[in-house]
Amino acid sequence: DVKVTQSSRYLVKRTGEKVFLECVQDMDHENMFWYRQDPGLGLRLIYFSYDVKMKEKGDIPEGYSVSREKKERFSLILESASTNQTSMYLCASLSSGSGAETQYFGPGTRLLVL
Amino acid sequence: DQQVKQNSPSLSVQEGRISILNCDYTNSMFDYFLWYKKYPAEGPTFLISISSIKDKNEDGRFTVFLNKSAKHLSLHIVPSQPGDSAVYFCAASDWQAGTALIFGKGTTLSVSS
Repeated sequence: DVKVTQSSRYLVKRTGEKVFLECVQDMDHENMFWYRQDPGLGLRLIYFSYDVKMKEKGDIPEGYSVSREKKERFSLILESASTNQTSMYLCASLSSGSGAETQYFGPGTRLLVL
Repeated sequence: DQQVKQNSPSLSVQEGRISILNCDYTNSMFDYFLWYKKYPAEGPTFLISISSIKDKNEDGRFTVFLNKSAKHLSLHIVPSQPGDSAVYFCAASDWQAGTALIFGKGTTLSVSS
């Protein structure tokens, strides 16, 4: 079974803090993604990565950065957290050789920025 | 501009009846479409997909229909069950180009018993 894990289920941070959200997958997938889910806005792509050390901006990259030093790990970084970054963050991974239906999601991290 | 649109934020259906969730897209290069289901506090899980060379795909109680000329797809759930109550996301991709999935805003389905 594919497993995508996220380091925290719930996080509370203060405005201006640097926040790290970690995602690990155990299926040797090349592609990894970070989305945020907000009521009425659905799932929006923040960043994705096709390979180690590679990253591509998604639809809403502002205020975020990412790091992919190892194939299994994709980190989302909020350099200076703001209240409008309060959201549910979802990580996903996908094998390049498989169909899109094999994009697996982690359980999500609910971040509250005060 | 939204490339994948789910214009109904919510849908309520009685148990045993049909649920029809709709999705429209604007990018004619999209060639692969998926539906994901999401329960609160969980990540989305894949439900069913369809490629642009088909107009229908069926999996048990779930059927997805694709109308390429109208750039429209729909998910039919028959019969609906209370456990189907969740948020349903439509997603699309230009799979040949290797682009990431683009998701709609989701439709919250409530199935009452």
